[in-house]
Formats: sequence, structure tokens, C-alpha cells
Amino acid sequence: QVQLVQSGSELKKPGASVKVSCKASGYIFNSYGMNWVRQAPGQGLEWMGWINTDTGNPTYAQGLTGRFVFSSDTSVSTAYLQISSLKPEDTAVYYCARGLGGSRIWGQGTLVTVSS
Amino acid sequence: EVVLTQSPGTLSLSPGERATLSCRASQSVTSNYLAWYQQKPGQAPRLLIYGASSRPTGIPDRFSGSGSGTDFTLTISRLEPEDFAVYYCQQYGSSSGTFGPGTKVDLK
Repeated sequence: QVQLVQSGSELKKPGASVKVSCKASGYIFNSYGMNWVRQAPGQGLEWMGWINTDTGNPTYAQGLTGRFVFSSDTSVSTAYLQISSLKPEDTAVYYCARGLGGSRIWGQGTLVTVSS
Repeated sequence: EVVLTQSPGTLSLSPGERATLSCRASQSVTSNYLAWYQQKPGQAPRLLIYGASSRPTGIPDRFSGSGSGTDFTLTISRLEPEDFAVYYCQQYGSSSGTFGPGTKVDLK
């Protein structure tokens, strides 16, 4: 069946980096883009951007700083979100979701906690 | 950037009642690329409506979407106990995908 499986929870110190993976199965990976969405504790959904998995071209939401990088590897059907120079305010659940929007297929979410 | 506003912030209703949720965009949504999601605590969002009014396979027909341009509505015809949750709209035109702040539907 079509699914997205994300990597496990991460606990990081401020200033560190983290790379979240999102492995797709059950469909042709580069036929759909991949969204990234974050949700801070108790808050709403925030669209971070998306990556064209066919060309590798990322599009970032307005206001998203250069600390966030989307990438993808078609050979392993996996999309990645890398966050550098982590701050406590980056603490959130990060979701990948297939497509640009109107996404039926979501990953289970990855909790990234940034704390000293 | 398209900004979405949802109202009301909270809707307190009883099972069997009708729920009407509003989503308003700061500018016209390209090709009515407007989706609605339901989210329950600890779960990923669930797609209810895409293209403003289309329902994916498996979504009950008590959920319906309408609207165009800048004004959109999600209607739940008769609330079931499992429908008490937070609902988000998302626009996904013009290579961007902003979400609204959400409407919480809770038990009266």
C-alpha cells in the first residue's frame, strides 16, 4: 500500500543539526512532489515548502530561513529535511506529505526536540 | 502570499447537529485548490476535501465542501462522536501551500 514512513524522534542540543527522512513506498516516488509541514506543541499546521522529487528543485515557504534544506534521493525513494543551527523554537513535529497540497498520504510525523 | 482565515475559532456542538466551518483567503485561490483536513491529538492530518468540493474515497458523505475564489465552507451534516477534532483549510495553488489557523469542533 502507499505509505510514507518517517525516521524516529530526535533530541538535540541548540546549535546542532538534524536530518529527518521520509521513505515512500507503494508508488513511483518521482511522480509526486513532497510537502514538509511542521506543528509546534499545541499549535497549528505550518507549511514549510515542497520538493519536486523529479528534478530535486525545492520551494521554501516565505520566511523560512536558510537553516532548512529539502532534498530527495530517487534511488531509495526518500525525501529529507535537514535543519541546521537548531533553536529551542524548532521543537515541533515535522510531517512529510505527498504532493504539493490536498495531500491524502502523510508520514506519521517526527518529533524533534531542541533542549539543552 | 495567500493568507487564510478560519472562523469560528471554536465551535461547540452536540452529536447530530450540523457544523459549518468557514475559510476565507486574502486573495483568490488558484483553480480552487483548497483542501480541508481533520486532525485529532497525536495523529497526522486526514484529508477530507480537495479541490474545494471533491471528497477522497473513503470519506463519509456527511462531509462536504463548497465555495470558490476567496470564500470556502466545510459542512458536516450530522456530527458523529468521532468528528470532534480540529479542522484546517489549506490552499495549494501557485506552488505554495499555506494553512489556516484551524477551527476546533468540541462537545457542547
